[in-house]
Amino acid sequence: AQSVTQLGSHVSVSEGALVLLRCNYSSSVPPYLFWYVQYPNQGLQLLLKYTTGATLVKGINGFEAEFKKSETSFHLTKPSAHMSDAAEYFCAVSNAGNNRKMIWGLGTSLAVNP
Amino acid sequence: GAGVSQSPSNKVTEKGKDVELRCDPISGHTALYWYRQRLGQGLEFLIYFQGNSAPDKSGLPSDRFSAERTGESVSTLTIQRTQQEDSAVYLCASSLRGGRNTEAFFGQGTRLTVV
Repeated sequence: AQSVTQLGSHVSVSEGALVLLRCNYSSSVPPYLFWYVQYPNQGLQLLLKYTTGATLVKGINGFEAEFKKSETSFHLTKPSAHMSDAAEYFCAVSNAGNNRKMIWGLGTSLAVNP
Repeated sequence: GAGVSQSPSNKVTEKGKDVELRCDPISGHTALYWYRQRLGQGLEFLIYFQGNSAPDKSGLPSDRFSAERTGESVSTLTIQRTQQEDSAVYLCASSLRGGRNTEAFFGQGTRLTVV
């Protein structure tokens, strides 16, 4: 069975500060891991994903995430927050990228303060 | 169209009424998915259409839920005799093809409130 835990339902950072959104997973098979972002009044958008290979994955808008098997983590980071990063972020895990079988976290709402 | 379009964006209905939610996928996308997100919970898979294959209905929570898709275009999700626990955001997504490792593109969702 697979599961996803996002630590912190709400995260607030100052503009220019480091963004760190935490995601831990459990999976009995090699996981595919995803971060999605949902901006206000928009649909979910794929931010980045890990499938195989390089464990540091770069996504859109300066975000990146590192797959750490030993820690069963896939935390999302961005060195410097921008006001436009304010959104809801979702972590998900699946078995080989099967969209029907994705297990989703509950989401983390990111607020960026001026 | 440019993206996945869902309508209505918001729907308030009385308990016991039937509702229909619509999804227009991205043109050319053969796969279409419906998900549900209840308050405080993660997304739940409901149903999957891929081309002319029989749909995967394994996620539908009860026989009050059904969905149709015309070819590779519009899909409607129908909930009969709505209950308060059906209140949720219903999300539709489409992908270029089915199978594994294909990016799904999501609509904005329909927020259903059953009163």
